[in-house]
Amino acid sequence: EAEVAQSPRYKITEKSQAVAFWCDPISGHATLYWYRQILGQGPELLVQFQDESVVDDSQLPKDRFSAERLKGVDSTLKIQPAELGDSAMYLCASSPTGPTNYGYTFGSGTRLTVV
Amino acid sequence: AQRVTQPEKLLSVFKGAPVELKCNYSYSGSPELFWYVQYSRQRLQLLLRHISRESIKGFTADLNKGETSFHLKKPFAQEEDSAMYYCALSGLSNTGKLIFGQGTTLQVKP
Repeated sequence: EAEVAQSPRYKITEKSQAVAFWCDPISGHATLYWYRQILGQGPELLVQFQDESVVDDSQLPKDRFSAERLKGVDSTLKIQPAELGDSAMYLCASSPTGPTNYGYTFGSGTRLTVV
Repeated sequence: AQRVTQPEKLLSVFKGAPVELKCNYSYSGSPELFWYVQYSRQRLQLLLRHISRESIKGFTADLNKGETSFHLKKPFAQEEDSAMYYCALSGLSNTGKLIFGQGTTLQVKP
């Protein structure tokens, strides 16, 4: 069964340092999502890509977060500088060609701890 | 504003008992609703979606637009149903963005 790959699984970083997460969606999936899940809460969308274009980044803290999907395949989410409040699970998801409401496939996530 | 509310953080039942996980939503249009499940040490995965009117692992959910609810039900709980359950809403049909509730932990005791 095809999976969404994410790395690293865990990341501990010091406050004010830079950190990056990587996501490889299911082959052929044009839509890619980054969600953040704070402990005890549901996932919240940070950014959505359609191919290499950003569709929605309204909840992305753009002063410190950036995301790219240069070739419309894999994607990187970066935080610089990291803050204590960024500690969370970062989830990547992908869905087939075009936006869809049929649900999508999540990766295992990257657990970020900022100390 | 679009919002999903799951009023129970924890639901504990005995094996064989009926289960109902509550979900209420706030959305002015025609929503698409989903239930996602996360078993221990596994990734978040789609359980069912209302447009399919399907039953997965014995679970069903009916969209009640009058009560703006999408409760998840199962007549007889199994221990393997123990997991975290999230209700999610997609209100903008041209983006696929999901708005999640805070989740309910279902604990099925033997």
